[in-house]
Amino acid sequence: GENVEQHPSTLSVQEGDSAVIKCTYSDSASNYFPWYKQELGKGPQLIIDIRSNVGEKKDQRIAVTLNKTAKHFSLHITETQPEDSAVYFCAVPLLYNNNDMRFGAGTRLTVKP
Amino acid sequence: EAQVTQNPRYLITVTGKKLTVTCSQNMNHEYMSWYRQDPGLGLRQIYYSMNVEVTDKGDVPEGYKVSRKEKRNFPLILESPSPNQTSLYFCASSLFSSAYNEQFFGPGTRLTVL
Repeated sequence: GENVEQHPSTLSVQEGDSAVIKCTYSDSASNYFPWYKQELGKGPQLIIDIRSNVGEKKDQRIAVTLNKTAKHFSLHITETQPEDSAVYFCAVPLLYNNNDMRFGAGTRLTVKP
Repeated sequence: EAQVTQNPRYLITVTGKKLTVTCSQNMNHEYMSWYRQDPGLGLRQIYYSMNVEVTDKGDVPEGYKVSRKEKRNFPLILESPSPNQTSLYFCASSLFSSAYNEQFFGPGTRLTVL
């Protein structure tokens, strides 16, 4: 079945620096890659996603890049701000059951002012 | 406001005492699901429902039941809770299948089973 590995598990950066979180997956047929942000005391919320027909997608300070050959995709946050502090999850659809996503274990990002 | 609501938000119970966590969405979504979140394991799907009266097992269904009698509601039932079901639970909904559509999550229910 699909195996999703997310790194690092924790990340601490100074305000204004960039942060990068990486996910690797095992099923080469996967073609939808979302990133969710979970703030303290709340449920995860979709922040950006990418489909396999593009290699990069940007939305203001966040971007996602996809390398299908290497089977990994990354979340990039530039000019980090304290409100970016949260837990971030990547996810990959399960192709043998297209009603489920396999989530990464999560990355706790701390942005120090 | 479009949202997914869950109740209760916090619950402490004892082994074997049946409980129900309610979930409701007001977005007319077809698809709803339940996840549990445990440290280091991310989110794991318990059950999902494609539509009214249609439910199926996710990755970790043992010890849980669900029902979907109305489109907006999807309660999670623990008939005989055990300590290994202590976890943070999320209900989620999406327009159709979760695999290619944004999922909207509820605020979570923190359950402790003593």
